[in-house]
Amino acid sequence: AQSVTQLDSQVPVFEEAPVELRCNYSSSVSVYLFWYVQYPNQGLQLLLKYLSGSTLVESINGFEAEFNKSQTSFHLRKPSVHISDTAEYFCAVRRGTGGFKTIFGAGTRLFVKA
Amino acid sequence: EPEVTQTPSHQVTQMGQEVILRCVPISNHLYFYWYRQILGQKVEFLVSFYNNEISEKSEIFDDQFSVERPDGSNFTLKIRSTKLEDSAMYFCASLATASEAFFGQGTRLTVV
Repeated sequence: AQSVTQLDSQVPVFEEAPVELRCNYSSSVSVYLFWYVQYPNQGLQLLLKYLSGSTLVESINGFEAEFNKSQTSFHLRKPSVHISDTAEYFCAVRRGTGGFKTIFGAGTRLFVKA
Repeated sequence: EPEVTQTPSHQVTQMGQEVILRCVPISNHLYFYWYRQILGQKVEFLVSFYNNEISEKSEIFDDQFSVERPDGSNFTLKIRSTKLEDSAMYFCASLATASEAFFGQGTRLTVV
């Protein structure tokens, strides 16, 4: 079975500072990895995904994540955050084959302060 | 861009009443899911549905829950006799194959 651990429940950071949200997964089979973002009172939006190929993936709003198979990690980073990045971020994993169920981590609340 | 649509956005129901949450998945997707998020908590898998039958379900998905794809476009989640602890945001998702799951905006269910 797959599982996802997000090591920080809350991350406060000042505007324009860099941030890293940590995610580790466990799985005995190949997986796909995702980061979803949830703004207050809204649904889940895909931020970025790793399916195959380059281990460094980027989003259109400056976030990036690197798949590290040896460390079973998929940490999310942004070099300079904005107030508007304040949201809940969920790391998620899905098997490459089978029922394709997506499993979510507990979430990390990113709070950007002015 | 295609999207998953959920209705209603918010539903209030009395304890013990039946409720049906509706979803329209993306048209060419084959796998359908329901997830639940209790306020302030993680997103939990409820059930997956493929080829007109349940392919996997969690321990949360007990006999009070059922899913149906009554026609070629809708995917519904029914809770037969709601409890206070069923209050949550319910997300529908659909998936093609080798891609990410697309989620709807959710239905906030409040049981009073």
